[in-house]
Amino acid sequence: NAGVTQTPKFQVLKTGQSMTLQCAQDMNHNSMYWYRQDPGMGLRLIYYSASEGTTDKGEVPNGYNVSRLNKREFSLRLESAAPSQTSVYFCASSTGLLYSTDTQYFGPGTRLTVL
Amino acid sequence: GESVGLHLPTLSVQEGDNSIINCAYSNSASDYFIWYKQESGKGPQFIIDIRSNMDKRQGQRVTVLLNKTVKHLSLQIAATQPGDSAVYFCAENPTGIQKTSYDKVIFGPGTSLSVIP
Repeated sequence: NAGVTQTPKFQVLKTGQSMTLQCAQDMNHNSMYWYRQDPGMGLRLIYYSASEGTTDKGEVPNGYNVSRLNKREFSLRLESAAPSQTSVYFCASSTGLLYSTDTQYFGPGTRLTVL
Repeated sequence: GESVGLHLPTLSVQEGDNSIINCAYSNSASDYFIWYKQESGKGPQFIIDIRSNMDKRQGQRVTVLLNKTVKHLSLQIAATQPGDSAVYFCAENPTGIQKTSYDKVIFGPGTSLSVIP
């Protein structure tokens, strides 16, 4: 049981390049999330998917797109990377948003640098 | 707006001592709280949770205390070990028992715990 996995672990992009961050979970969770974490700041929600087939914007969605490919996989795409998107990106999953005791479980993160 | 915050950004303790990490929250409607541990270079890891109908919950070497009167949450780590060195986040789930829409979990900025050997 791997939990939440993310690829790649590290990535360096030039401004304007695009890339997709991959996330998969094997816990049969309904809900999945993408966060970014910047130095001295807490986790900020980019996008989330309450269930397969649905996605919604979080706190900082600009410059990103997501795809809930199936129940297991939730990808995050940067269409035209900017230096402000240099960050550590975490994917998380949880049982389901309708439960108040819904605990999120996190992947190991992707460290992205945009030059 | 609503927020979850930590009183101290850094905490240093001697190995073997007890650690106490504090967290304040502002939404009295929140009914579920979680503590996460984040080691360097890794993702946040669930440690322990507590519901608002409880004042205290114990795990292995960890205890979470909830004081709803002053909207305060604390994580106590007994006999702190070098492996406990990490950033600790509290998180607040701000809605009630049955949710019909998503109210995002609010994460505090974290407290960095350093254990002195």
